[in-house]
Amino acid sequence: AQTVTQSQPEMSVQEAETVTLSCTYDTSESDYYLFWYKQPPSRQMILVIRQEAYKQQNATENRFSVNFQKAAKSFSLKISDSQLGDAAMYFCAYKLGNTPLVFGKGTRLSVIA
Amino acid sequence: GAVVSQHPSWVICKSGTSVKIECRSLDFQATTMFWYRQFPKQSLMLMATSNEGSKATYEQGVEKDKFLINHASLTLSTLTVTSAHPEDSSFYICSARDGGRLKSYEQYFGPGTRLTVT
Repeated sequence: AQTVTQSQPEMSVQEAETVTLSCTYDTSESDYYLFWYKQPPSRQMILVIRQEAYKQQNATENRFSVNFQKAAKSFSLKISDSQLGDAAMYFCAYKLGNTPLVFGKGTRLSVIA
Repeated sequence: GAVVSQHPSWVICKSGTSVKIECRSLDFQATTMFWYRQFPKQSLMLMATSNEGSKATYEQGVEKDKFLINHASLTLSTLTVTSAHPEDSSFYICSARDGGRLKSYEQYFGPGTRLTVT
């Protein structure tokens, strides 16, 4: 079974600084999808960024970018120019085709003013 | 587009009673619905997957007779917690997939339902 590991239960970052959240996963497949979701206190899951494994180019969405290392099975999220609104739980997730998303345990990000 | 709603957002019920949670896709056809459970400060755990018109597939350890899932239409899935007990208190999140979309692998999440059993 596929597993997703987030080794940082909690992280903090100064406002306007950059922070990187780590994620590794285990799979024997070659074509899959990886995601980062944000869960603020409202608990609504918000898609931050997605990466198709067949694409070598790292995905970027405004201040959010990923470092996708397929051979190492690593998928880290970089948040630049951190804002107070970025404070939330962040979940890394893996998806194979139409099977359900598999989530990591999450990283709680605090942003310090 | 791709909006998923859940109702109710918060429900309190007495031990031994049943409670139904509805999940609706508002602007697309949800060919597949996923139900997750989330305990405080924990991750989302998949409970079951249901395809429209078919019986749900439950994850190991999830009691199918306790958590009844119905996906009778392409826009509505329901989760009924039968004979609820305090240990069933949790946050339940539904997620839907539109098999007709170009990126049919995408899952869209509802806002969740907080269940408290007293």
